[in-house]
Amino acid sequence: DAGITQSPRHKVTETGTPVTLRCHQTENHRYMYWYRQDPGHGLRLIHYSYGVKDTDKGEVSDGYSVSRSKTEDFLLTLESATSSQTSVYFCAISSGAYNEQFFGPGTRLTVL
Amino acid sequence: GENVEQHPSTLSVQEGDSAVIKCTYSDSASNYFPWYKQELGKGPQLIIDIRSNVGEKKDQRIAVTLNKTAKHFSLHITETQPEDSAVYFCAASTTGGGNKLTFGTGTQLKVEL
Repeated sequence: DAGITQSPRHKVTETGTPVTLRCHQTENHRYMYWYRQDPGHGLRLIHYSYGVKDTDKGEVSDGYSVSRSKTEDFLLTLESATSSQTSVYFCAISSGAYNEQFFGPGTRLTVL
Repeated sequence: GENVEQHPSTLSVQEGDSAVIKCTYSDSASNYFPWYKQELGKGPQLIIDIRSNVGEKKDQRIAVTLNKTAKHFSLHITETQPEDSAVYFCAASTTGGGNKLTFGTGTQLKVEL
């Protein structure tokens, strides 16, 4: 998976609790992305980062925040998880805005 | 924003036959079109991509064609094998501006023996 790890790989949590997902890369790529995958929707972009401390919103950013304090780590936080955020979350990386994106193994999140 | 439609949602072929998956996009500014293969429980894997300055690209048994006028692109897999069974996603983006991908909803390809 192109030097990308995601943690945890599986998580079950309760509505209203905060959740943080981590994406870690060893490729020193500048761009990092968070997507969610749901049946019937394909993958949808939540947030992305184009450098340390530089982030921007994607298509479905409501209810999510991100942070990137180091090149290798991109964190996705659900401040107060809701059942609608039950999904599989994928991180992706890219060496440039004109280059290919490579995906991590995913995190399956269940919000009860 | 960009909208990508993908058809069919499921496709069943006999081993050795060809498979074709089609996608249409809405934003004429889109100029990068990757295809991903996703096996059960894994992340999407980039299998081929095409940029708007070419009309066709091949890599062994896989090819992608692009018609910018009609705003559609297709994935062609020849001599299908059981290991080609997976979900395939098309995507589109405008390079620059973060290369944000908009995905189709996926095609479940089953190659039967």
